[in-house]
Amino acid sequence: AQSVTQLDSQVPVFEEAPVELRCNYSSSVSVYLFWYVQYPNQGLQLLLKYLSGSTLVKGINGFEAEFNKSQTSFHLRKPSVHISDTAEYFCAVSAYNFNKFYFGSGTKLNVKP
Amino acid sequence: ETGVTQSPTHLIKTRGQQVTLRCSSQSGHNTVSWYQQALGQGPQFIFQYYREEENGRGNFPPRFSGLQFPNYSSELNVNALELDDSALYLCASSPEQGVAYEQYFGPGTRLTVT
Repeated sequence: AQSVTQLDSQVPVFEEAPVELRCNYSSSVSVYLFWYVQYPNQGLQLLLKYLSGSTLVKGINGFEAEFNKSQTSFHLRKPSVHISDTAEYFCAVSAYNFNKFYFGSGTKLNVKP
Repeated sequence: ETGVTQSPTHLIKTRGQQVTLRCSSQSGHNTVSWYQQALGQGPQFIFQYYREEENGRGNFPPRFSGLQFPNYSSELNVNALELDDSALYLCASSPEQGVAYEQYFGPGTRLTVT
């Protein structure tokens, strides 16, 4: 089975500062990796995904993530955050050929002016 | 293009009752997945339907069941409600089965069991 650990439940950061949201996964087989964002009272929206190929993945809203197989990590980064990035971010994993997603517990990003 | 919609928005039920939640998939999508998101937690996968057949299931008891209709709308049914079933229930549709396809989430149904 697969599992996801998001080490930080909350990350406060000032506007225009860089941010990294950490995600580690556990799996005995090859995986697909995802980051989703959830704004208050809304469903989840896909930010980016890693399926194969380049380990640096670029997504929407200026976010990017790097797949590190040796460290089983898929950390999300943004060089300069905006107030509008305040939301909850979820990392998710799925194994090849399995129709199941496993989500982490989420990281609340709070961008302060 | 209409996105994924869910009804009702909120629901209050009593322990032991049964509930049906509904989801209307995005146009052209033949796959739907259901998730339970407890307060302060990430979504947990309940099951996925592809072309009206269950296509994958998470660690949920049989009292959680589903249906997908020919028009690809779907239902989540929960029998014998328990207090721990209180959560936000999300559905997500995708154009095909397989996790490589992007899932489009609805806004969810907030279920409270008292």
